[in-house]
Amino acid sequence: DAGVTQSPTHLIKTRGQQVTLRCSPKSGHDTVSWYQQALGQGPQFIFQYYEEEERQRGNFPDRFSGHQFPNYSSELNVNALLLGDSALYLCASSRRGEDTQYFGPGTRLTVL
Amino acid sequence: AQTVTQSQPEMSVQEAETVTLSCTYDTSENNYYLFWYKQPPSRQMILVIRQEAYKQQNATENRFSVNFQKAAKSFSLKISDSQLGDTAMYFCAFIPSYNTDKLIFGTGTRLQVFP
Repeated sequence: DAGVTQSPTHLIKTRGQQVTLRCSPKSGHDTVSWYQQALGQGPQFIFQYYEEEERQRGNFPDRFSGHQFPNYSSELNVNALLLGDSALYLCASSRRGEDTQYFGPGTRLTVL
Repeated sequence: AQTVTQSQPEMSVQEAETVTLSCTYDTSENNYYLFWYKQPPSRQMILVIRQEAYKQQNATENRFSVNFQKAAKSFSLKISDSQLGDTAMYFCAFIPSYNTDKLIFGTGTRLQVFP
């Protein structure tokens, strides 16, 4: 039973560029949430996708956008990258109606 | 504001001993879910234990147990018979109501288990 997977593992970009991160949920899960974890901090909720629509959003600017595909996998896109976007980006999946979220290994994004 | 506070940035414990990590939270809701997650150096966030606020009985998972004090809004984690593999960052988190799936995390406690 495959857990949550994310790609790539690491990514280095420069300011102003755009980035796409990918997530495949745990088998049987249909809901994907994205979190940003800055160094030394707890994760912060970005948004959640269910049935290919954004259902909830945290306090992040419109530069952060996402998508969910019919197979429940998801992408996180960040435009016009800033130095402050450097962080570990975590994807979590769950079954709709259930509270427990299972996390992937994360993508480490470095913006230079 | 719905927040989680972990007042111990770092803790250490001898192998086989018991350690308790503290967590307090703030919500005006009556029904919510509480979690402890472990994040080892490999970065993967691993669920340790889960508690539903309406259940008075404290959750237990093998060597891990919680002390849930709803009136005090306190949710501490006890690790018994500590093992070297327990070395990690521990995050307390909660979903503050039944109307959201958003997890709110504390800033974490770094636990070091010494041989």
